[in-house]
Amino acid sequence: AQTVTQSQPEMSVQEAETVTLSCTYDTSESNYYLFWYKQPPSRQMILVIRQEAYKQQNATENRFSVNFQKAAKSFSLKISDSQLGDTAMYFCAFSGSQGGSEKLVFGKGTKLTVNP
Amino acid sequence: EAQVTQNPRYLITVTGKKLTVTCSQNMNHEYMSWYRQDPGLGLRQIYYSMNVEVTDKGDVPEGYKVSRKEKRNFPLILESPSPNQTSLYFCASSLEGVRYNSPLHFGNGTRLTVT
Repeated sequence: AQTVTQSQPEMSVQEAETVTLSCTYDTSESNYYLFWYKQPPSRQMILVIRQEAYKQQNATENRFSVNFQKAAKSFSLKISDSQLGDTAMYFCAFSGSQGGSEKLVFGKGTKLTVNP
Repeated sequence: EAQVTQNPRYLITVTGKKLTVTCSQNMNHEYMSWYRQDPGLGLRQIYYSMNVEVTDKGDVPEGYKVSRKEKRNFPLILESPSPNQTSLYFCASSLEGVRYNSPLHFGNGTRLTVT
């Protein structure tokens, strides 16, 4: 079974600085999909960034980028120029490409606090 | 506006009293799913549906039922709620399963407390 591990339960960063959230996963599939979701205090789940495993180029969305290391099964999220609104719980998630991709497997989350 | 709508947002009930959490999407999505979120456990899938009249168990289906009679609706039913079902519940939908080009869209969550 696929698993997703987020080893940092909590992190903090100063406003305008850069922070990296770690995520590792375990799978035997060769192609799959990886996602980072943000959950602010409003508890809404917001898609931040996504990556398809066979695409080697790291995804980027404005201040958010990933470092995807397929061989190491690592998918870290980098937030540049951190803003107070980035304060949230961040979840890394995995979806396999076989069998119709019936679910996302989530990590336990990293609580990020951006300090003024 | 494209969205997944869950109701109610908050619900407090007592053990054994049947309840239904509704979920509706207006994006003509084939796939719908329910997750529960618990502290320190992340989100875990309860049930999912790939199409009308097609439902299947996720990782934690015990104590829950679902139905998919119409494409847009996917209610979650707790026939005899127990305190261990106190949790934050999310409904989600996507065009077809969960893929790069078909990411999940989530509702705003339902905070359920069972006393």
